[in-house]
Amino acid sequence: SQKIEQNSEALNIQEGKTATLTCNYTNYSPAYLQWYRQDPGRGPVFLLLIRENEKEKRKERLKVTFDTTLKQSLFHITASQPADSATYLCALGDDKIIFGKGTRLHILP
Amino acid sequence: DAGVTQSPTHLIKTRGQQVTLRCSPISGHKSVSWYQQVLGQGPQFIFQYYEKEERGRGNFPDRFSARQFPNYSSELNVNALLLGDSALYLCASSGGFYNEQFFGPGTRLTVL
Repeated sequence: SQKIEQNSEALNIQEGKTATLTCNYTNYSPAYLQWYRQDPGRGPVFLLLIRENEKEKRKERLKVTFDTTLKQSLFHITASQPADSATYLCALGDDKIIFGKGTRLHILP
Repeated sequence: DAGVTQSPTHLIKTRGQQVTLRCSPISGHKSVSWYQQVLGQGPQFIFQYYEKEERGRGNFPDRFSARQFPNYSSELNVNALLLGDSALYLCASSGGFYNEQFFGPGTRLTVL
C-alpha cells in the first residue's frame, strides 16, 4: 500500500537558520506532491505544489524539491522565524489524497 | 471571499448515536473532500465528491457516508458512533486542476 513518511515528529531550529523537512514515499509514482502547514486546532493550509517534471519550486522563503528517483521531497524554510513554528504536512494523490503524519517544527528565538 | 465553512464547530455525542456534519465550499469550487484527523496524525481521507458524484473513498467502514448537494455543499454522516470516532473532522474544497485542498476549520467530535 502507499506510504508517506516524514522525517521526524519534531524538529527544533534556531531562529534565522534554514529548516529542512523530509518527505519519503513508497509504492507510488505521483505526478505531483503538495505541502501544507497546520497550526494547532486549525485546518491545514496549502503552501506549495511541485510537479514530477519540476526539480525545485520556490515561494518567498519556502523552497521545495522533488526527486522521483529517490522518492523524496525536501521542504526548506530559509531565514526561519518563530512564526514559522507549526506542523508541516506533505501529501500525495489525485482523487484520494494521502497525508503524512507531519513534522512539528519549533523555531527557537 | 469566504473560505470553507463547517458546522458545528464542536459536538459531543454518546456511543451508538448518529451525527451529521456540514460543509460549504469556497464559491466556485465543485469538489469537496472529507478527512478525519486524530491527535498526532495527518488527516485521513474519507471521501471526495465532485459534481455530486463520489470520486474517491478511503478505508472507512460503511457507518460513514456522505453526499453533495446541487449547491456543492456537503454532509458527512456517521452512524453507530464508537469511542474511536472521536476526532477532528475536516472538510476541504478544491477547484484547481491539481486538487489543492482548501480546508475549513474542522468539527471537533467527542464520543463519550
